Amino acid sequence: DAGVTQSPTHLIKTRGQHVTLRCSPISGHKSVSWYQQVLGQGPQFIFQYYEKEERGRGNFPDRFSARQFPNYSSELNVNALLLGDSALYLCASSLAGSSGYYNEQFFGPGTRLTVL
Amino acid sequence: DAKTTQPTSMDCAEGRAANLPCNHSTISGNEYVYWYRQIHSQGPQYIIHGLKNNETNEMASLIITEDRKSSTLILPHATLRDTAVYYCIPHAGNMLTFGGGTRLMVKP
Repeated sequence: DAGVTQSPTHLIKTRGQHVTLRCSPISGHKSVSWYQQVLGQGPQFIFQYYEKEERGRGNFPDRFSARQFPNYSSELNVNALLLGDSALYLCASSLAGSSGYYNEQFFGPGTRLTVL
Repeated sequence: DAKTTQPTSMDCAEGRAANLPCNHSTISGNEYVYWYRQIHSQGPQYIIHGLKNNETNEMASLIITEDRKSSTLILPHATLRDTAVYYCIPHAGNMLTFGGGTRLMVKP
């Protein structure tokens, strides 16, 4: 079975540009979450989507947005890029959208974004 | 989500059991204890989770104290490939809150 896939693997942008990152969840998973991991730190929660609706949002500015499509894939968009947005962006999928026993999240390999 | 306290780093000899402790004294009644690990430059990997009872799967065992204020992840026969940062995360909602984790170094 294919795991969570993310594209692109690496990306280099300049300040002020816009970026779109993509994620395909594990087949059958309806929930997708996005995390940002800055070098040397643990991942930080950005968004969760379940059944195409936003279920949670972390402490990130409005420059960050996301959406989920009918096939449960997802996009993360970041506008007006800053140097501090350089990070590994991780996507995770899960069966459930909230608490419950079957709520483990399975992560993709991430997209490494470098902002120059 | 509850706050956690984990050792910053631990060493373990290859082939021996690795016991990784975690304190989560403020855990809520509906929060499960999840363990993830992250091997360098890869996405976090789910290991195991539990609510009250001890759990075991093909990767590890999870021992949760009766008062649920602490837990221990056990890797029964550590290999070099188990070298990673291990995160203990009490979790009930829709987001995982990663702390600093424990950097486990498995040595030959």
